Amino acid sequence: EPEVTQTPSHQVTQMGQEVILRCVPISNHLYFYWYRQILGQKVEFLVSFYNNEISEKSEIFDDQFSVERPDGSNFTLKIRSTKLEDSAMYFCASSENGGRQPQHFGDGTRLSIL
Amino acid sequence: AQSVSQHNHHVILSEAASLELGCNYSYGGTVNLFWYVQYPGQHLQLLLKYFSGDPLVKGIKGFEAEFIKSKFSFNLRKPSVQWSDTAEYFCAVITNQGGKLIFGQGTELSVKP
Repeated sequence: EPEVTQTPSHQVTQMGQEVILRCVPISNHLYFYWYRQILGQKVEFLVSFYNNEISEKSEIFDDQFSVERPDGSNFTLKIRSTKLEDSAMYFCASSENGGRQPQHFGDGTRLSIL
Repeated sequence: AQSVSQHNHHVILSEAASLELGCNYSYGGTVNLFWYVQYPGQHLQLLLKYFSGDPLVKGIKGFEAEFIKSKFSFNLRKPSVQWSDTAEYFCAVITNQGGKLIFGQGTELSVKP
């Protein structure tokens, strides 16, 4: 079964540094998402992306965050200047058809900000 | 604001016991409903989904869930759990076409052999 893949599995970064989390969605999927889960808390929606633009973003997704689909396969989340509170598990997901199809998740990237 | 609540934070059962995990959502319009499972060290996997039609839906590994619109609930059930069902279970809803998932806080299930 096709999978969503995320790299790296664990990223340790100094506060204030930029970090890029990478995702390869399933190839025929059109909708892409980032979620995060702070330890002990709910999985929270960050942003959705469709047709090469952001379709929805949460309050968490402020100016420090950006997403990009630089080529036909990768989908990246950039955090420009990381804060301690950005430490979390970040999940990428993709779906064929937005809310009308289930989302498939990657294994996640554990981001630790020191 | 739309939200999802799961009644139990941690459930401990013995093998062969029956399971019911509660899930309620707050949204008055049309919803798509999901249960995801996360086994230790693995990614979120879809257990089952409800979009429309028969409110009793069957998923993988013997799980089922019932959508009760009047109660805004989508409880997950399994008649007889196994040790391999030990995992974290997440209820989630989609309320818009773009597909933003709103998750509950998760229920950790521990099954004792």
